[in-house]
Amino acid sequence: DGGITQSPKYLFRKEGQNVTLSCEQNLNHDAMYWYRQDPGQGLRLIYYSQIVNDFQKGDIAEGYSVSREKKESFPLTVTSAQKNPTAFYLCASSTWTSGTYEQYFGPGTRLTVT
Amino acid sequence: ELKVEQNPLFLSMQEGKNYTIYCNYSTTSDRLYWYRQDPGKSLESLFVLLSNGAVKQEGRLMASLDTKARLSTLHITAAVHDLSATYFCAVDIGGSEKLVFGKGTKLTVNP
Repeated sequence: DGGITQSPKYLFRKEGQNVTLSCEQNLNHDAMYWYRQDPGQGLRLIYYSQIVNDFQKGDIAEGYSVSREKKESFPLTVTSAQKNPTAFYLCASSTWTSGTYEQYFGPGTRLTVT
Repeated sequence: ELKVEQNPLFLSMQEGKNYTIYCNYSTTSDRLYWYRQDPGKSLESLFVLLSNGAVKQEGRLMASLDTKARLSTLHITAAVHDLSATYFCAVDIGGSEKLVFGKGTKLTVNP
C-alpha cells in the first residue's frame, strides 16, 4: 500500500528543545517537501528536496533543518531557534507524471511547544 | 514573487444552493491544483488543471482554469453537508516543483 507516513501524529515539547518530525514515503517519488500550517492560513513551504543529498530552503526555513540521506525519508528538525514552532506540519512528495508535479500529502504532525 | 489569493475566505451556504470560489494568482503559470482539507486532517487532491481552458468535474464540484486572466474557479452545484471543508488552490512556480498556496476557503454547508 503506497503512501506517505508521518510520525508522531501529536508531539509535545518544552520550549528550548529540538524536536525531529519523521516523514517516510514508499511512492518512489524523487521530490519531498515540508510545509507548515497555522490556523486560518494556507501552507507555507519550509524546505524541499528534489534529489537525495540535496535540499533547498523554502519561504520560512529559519529555525528548521532537514536531511535527505535516503530517497524515501525526509526528516525535519525544529530547533530551539524557531520562535513560534507550534503548528501543524505536513510532509508531501511528488514526481513528474502526466505533465505535472502533483504533490501528495502525509497525514501531518501537530506540534505543541510550551 | 507569486501570490495566490482566494475569495471568499469563509463561505456559509445552504444545502441545495450553488456557489463559486475564486482563485487569482499574480504571475504566469500553467498548472493549478485544488485540494480539500477536513478539520485536523491532511490535504486531499481534488483537481489538477494543466492548461488554459481546462475544466474538470467530480460530483458536485467543477474546476476551471483561465491562464490569461490568471484565474481558477471551483464551482459547487447543489451543495450538500458532506462538502463542508476547507478548499485550497495552489499554483506552481513555473519550471519548478514548488507550489504556492492560497489561504483557503472554509466552506460550511448548512442543512
